[in-house]
Amino acid sequence: EADIYQTPRYLVIGTGKKITLECSQTMGHDKMYWYQQDPGMELHLIHYSYGVNSTEKGDLSSESTVSRIRTEHFPLTLESARPSHTSQYLCASSDVTDTQYFGPGTRLTVL
Amino acid sequence: AQSVSQHNHHVILSEAASLELGCNYSYGGTVNLFWYVQYPGQHLQLLLKYFSGDPLVKGIKGFEAEFIKSKFSFNLRKPSVQWSDTAEYFCAVKRPSGGSYIPTFGRGTSLIVHP
Repeated sequence: EADIYQTPRYLVIGTGKKITLECSQTMGHDKMYWYQQDPGMELHLIHYSYGVNSTEKGDLSSESTVSRIRTEHFPLTLESARPSHTSQYLCASSDVTDTQYFGPGTRLTVL
Repeated sequence: AQSVSQHNHHVILSEAASLELGCNYSYGGTVNLFWYVQYPGQHLQLLLKYFSGDPLVKGIKGFEAEFIKSKFSFNLRKPSVQWSDTAEYFCAVKRPSGGSYIPTFGRGTSLIVHP
């Protein structure tokens, strides 16, 4: 079982709220990722980081932002949530062989 | 658009049937290839991967995949499936982008195996 954690697991909030999805890993991996996934669809890479103080946007345009102040922590923030942000958000980290380890996901619903 | 294509979105098999799930990618150059699996109620986890060398790679639980460079394919196979193979299967490619390598996933294949 991989040591990568996401909180909360489920979140229902109203439009306009600021939210932060937490992701942490205890494996010491430099590389971390955030994906957005709708049912039956691809995992879309929205942000990634290859080390502390390094963040990049992924393929899918996203209004979210991320930070990487510590190796083990990679939070994702939405400044003003909208119904279009309703989705599942998956966090992952990868080891030196590029094998990814995934968290359980956060299922976000914006009303 | 460049992508990873999984042609079978839903597959239903009986136990002991053979399985082949297709995966094609459209990126040129050097790529690393992966299959991930998500069993019901569990996290996504690695099934197998290909970086270089023998194009036929073996993974956990009797799965294997063959990299055919000329066809840009990395199909997943298992000769005899079990009920416990019921899961979502995702093909992924790590491909060059702007000086680094980033992962791209297909949309997944839902496999149901009837006992």
